[in-house]
Order: sequence, then structure tokens, then C-alpha cells
Amino acid sequence: QQQVKQSPQSLIVQKGGISIINCAYENTAFDYFPWYQQFPGKGPALLIAIRPDVSEKKEGRFTISFNKSAKQFSLHIMDSQPGDSATYFCAASPLELGGTSYGKLTFGQGTILTVHP
Amino acid sequence: NAGVTQTPKFQVLKTGQSMTLQCAQDMNHEYMSWYRQDPGMGLRLIHYSVGAGITDQGEVPNGYNVSRSTTEDFPLRLLSAAPSQTSVYFCASSYGTSWSYTFGSGTRLTVV
Repeated sequence: QQQVKQSPQSLIVQKGGISIINCAYENTAFDYFPWYQQFPGKGPALLIAIRPDVSEKKEGRFTISFNKSAKQFSLHIMDSQPGDSATYFCAASPLELGGTSYGKLTFGQGTILTVHP
Repeated sequence: NAGVTQTPKFQVLKTGQSMTLQCAQDMNHEYMSWYRQDPGMGLRLIHYSVGAGITDQGEVPNGYNVSRSTTEDFPLRLLSAAPSQTSVYFCASSYGTSWSYTFGSGTRLTVV
């Protein structure tokens, strides 16, 4: 079963617009929620991450919004640029530092973002 | 500092053949993982290691073996390749408290 559901599958945005990607999770043991960005032919790279003790985290044009009660989190890309065109993955993991479940990231299905100039 | 190095980058296998995908990291990371990426499925965890000598199964371990004899290396072995194993494979590593995985550039495997 897919424990992290991501939508939409693809997204087209005009330059300067806002890109919004949503994820929902089922496992209440998840307490670390990263977003990864992947360019064609490359491996995913960590973009931004959040823990559930805060409802929002912002880094530059990228913001994660987190709703613990709804078990949902989203990525907002402000002032989207053509260079942001990539595949974005949300993920979730239990955060047992030193434990055997640490780092067992469960990924969403991915969203292909295209930003038109 | 090369990060996470995966070899080969591309491979074509015949059904039933075996092979090893290599993964090496030079960052002294404790945690290493293998994922496979398939269209519409995201990345799915195959096997996982929290340190030398310790491995664990992920979501889709069948048909794959791993071992971790050193901190640096985490090879993935396909025992008897099947067309269903056609995929892009990623190795990743993380330092214990960094909460951030570094991924390799991937191996694109085709089984015919």
C-alpha cells in the first residue's frame, strides 16, 4: 500500500507563479517530512524538510506547510522559475535517532513540475 | 570528496543472469540504502543498513541481496534477474543525526 500519497502527478506553471504540491500520509509514527528535488539523469537531492512540531518552514522561495491533524503537508514554490522544472518527491520517516527505523524514507509517487518562461 | 558513487551507470541483463550494483561513499556515513525508481511509483526502499555488518529489508526486498562489510561500501546483488527488475536504482547514504540523505546518480538497469 502507498503510505504517502502525492498529488498532482504533473504540474505546469507560468514563470513567476506559485507551484503547490500536496502529500498525505497514513502512518502516525512518521515525524520527519522531507522534500526531494530530482533533475533528469540525476539522483534526488534534499530540498527542504520539516518536523511536526512546527506548522510551516520557509527556505527562500520554498515553503513547507504541515497539518498534523489532517496528516497532510505541502510544498509551495513562490515565484516559480524555469530552473525549478524537475520532479519533486515528498517523503516521510519515523525519526528514531540511532534506531533501526531511522531513515527508512517512504516516498510519494512524485510530481513532474514544468515552469514555462 | 566524491559523495555517493554508483557503478555501472547503465546495464542490460538477460533474464536469469546475476549481477552486483556497486555503491561507495566517502563521507563516513553510517546509514546506507538502496531504492528503485519506477514511473508513477516514486522511490521504493529495497534494503537498508545502519552500519557495517547490519542490514535490514525494505519495502521490496525480494530478488535482491545486500551485505555491508565496510562503512564505505554497500553492494546490491540481483540473484536471478527478471524483467520486473527493470528500473533505475539509487543508492543513498546519511550521517546519523543529519536527517539528510545524499543520493548517487543512479544505475539504469534493463532486463530482457
